[in-house]
Amino acid sequence: AQSVTQLGSHVSVSEGALVLLRCNYSSSVPPYLFWYVQYPNQGLQLLLKYTSAATLVKGINGFEAEFKKSETSFHLTKPSAHMSDAAEYFCAVTTNTGNQFYFGTGTSLTVIP
Amino acid sequence: DTAVSQTPKYLVTQMGNDKSIKCEQNLGHDTMYWYKQDSKKFLKIMFSYNNKELIINETVPNRFSPKSPDKAHLNLHINSLELGDSAVYFCASSPIGNEQFFGPGTRLTVL
Repeated sequence: AQSVTQLGSHVSVSEGALVLLRCNYSSSVPPYLFWYVQYPNQGLQLLLKYTSAATLVKGINGFEAEFKKSETSFHLTKPSAHMSDAAEYFCAVTTNTGNQFYFGTGTSLTVIP
Repeated sequence: DTAVSQTPKYLVTQMGNDKSIKCEQNLGHDTMYWYKQDSKKFLKIMFSYNNKELIINETVPNRFSPKSPDKAHLNLHINSLELGDSAVYFCASSPIGNEQFFGPGTRLTVL
């Protein structure tokens, strides 16, 4: 079985500051990991995904995440926050044969001008 | 050329009514899902269908019944609506072991 834990349901950063959203996973088999973003009143949009290739994954809008097996982590980062990054972020896990996603509880990112 | 579409986008109804939400995907994916997102933004999977067969049925009241007429469609019918059913319902589709593509959501309000 798989699961993800997102530490921090709310994160606030100043515009231009580093964004760090944490995600730890649990999986008995090699995981596939994803970050999704949800802007207000919209559906979920894929930011980036890890599917066992390069451990540092670059996504859209300047976000990236690093798969660290030793730490069972897949934290999302962005060097410089922009006001438009304010949204809800979800980490998710599945496997290469899995037909079920397991989503984290989400982290709400606020960007302070 | 919308990948995953849902109708309606908004649904306001009285307690006790029966309503349906439709979902269609044009991505050729084998698997489709229904999620419920509550006011705290928690995403809870409700159902998953693979090639028109039910493969995941989480603990959901049997007032909720999914129907998949073909692998491109997964509709959600809800009987005897209750106040607690108010939420945003998302449809999604995916190939096995890969990212899910989400619809825009249906905001259900039960009065």
